Amino acid sequence: LAKTTQPISMDSYEGQEVNITCSHNNIATNDYITWYQQFPSQGPRFIIQGYKTKVTNEVASLFIPADRKSSTLSLPRVSLSDTAVYYCLVGDPSFGNEKLTFGTGTRLTIIP
Amino acid sequence: EPEVTQTPSHQVTQMGQEVILRCVPISNHLYFYWYRQILGQKVEFLVSFYNNEISEKSEIFDDQFSVERPDGSNFTLKIRSTKLEDSAMYFCASRLQGRATEAFFGQGTRLTVV
Repeated sequence: LAKTTQPISMDSYEGQEVNITCSHNNIATNDYITWYQQFPSQGPRFIIQGYKTKVTNEVASLFIPADRKSSTLSLPRVSLSDTAVYYCLVGDPSFGNEKLTFGTGTRLTIIP
Repeated sequence: EPEVTQTPSHQVTQMGQEVILRCVPISNHLYFYWYRQILGQKVEFLVSFYNNEISEKSEIFDDQFSVERPDGSNFTLKIRSTKLEDSAMYFCASRLQGRATEAFFGQGTRLTVV
């Protein structure tokens, strides 16, 4: 299982773009990169998933360089409601029963 | 939007008592999971369940724990004899199948063992 490293915490002001980078030097060929968000006392919520290059949805963008040893979650124009813990997970989802292995995540605090 | 529902939202129990945590996964999902999160700590995998049997379990999931899908819709986690250290948020999750599908988590059950 590829180990991930991400900053423990980040602060940002409302309206800014926030980029959270995750390192996963040992990523395997079949691994995907997935980001989850967790608010206090709630279950994690899927944000975005990608394999290579760039993925964008209505919530975020995910940038993955060619070597795939890192990835960057980009949240455009954050608001106070984006204050949460963000987890970067790496794994092979081709097995449906694959468990998710959460690290400590990045605690993002949005400042008014 | 379909969602995973868990009941109860909060359960207080005395040490040594049995508890059953209930989950209703999304109806067409095939893979089911239980995770737990002790206050201030990481989300930890407990067990995965597919085709009416356990696929994988962690070291935490010892003989005191069991899971069941009794009626094709509910998915339960039973703790036979609770300990103080079982106090945590317990999250149920489900997935459809196939590559690169997301896991949907419930809102959790906060278990407090006194």
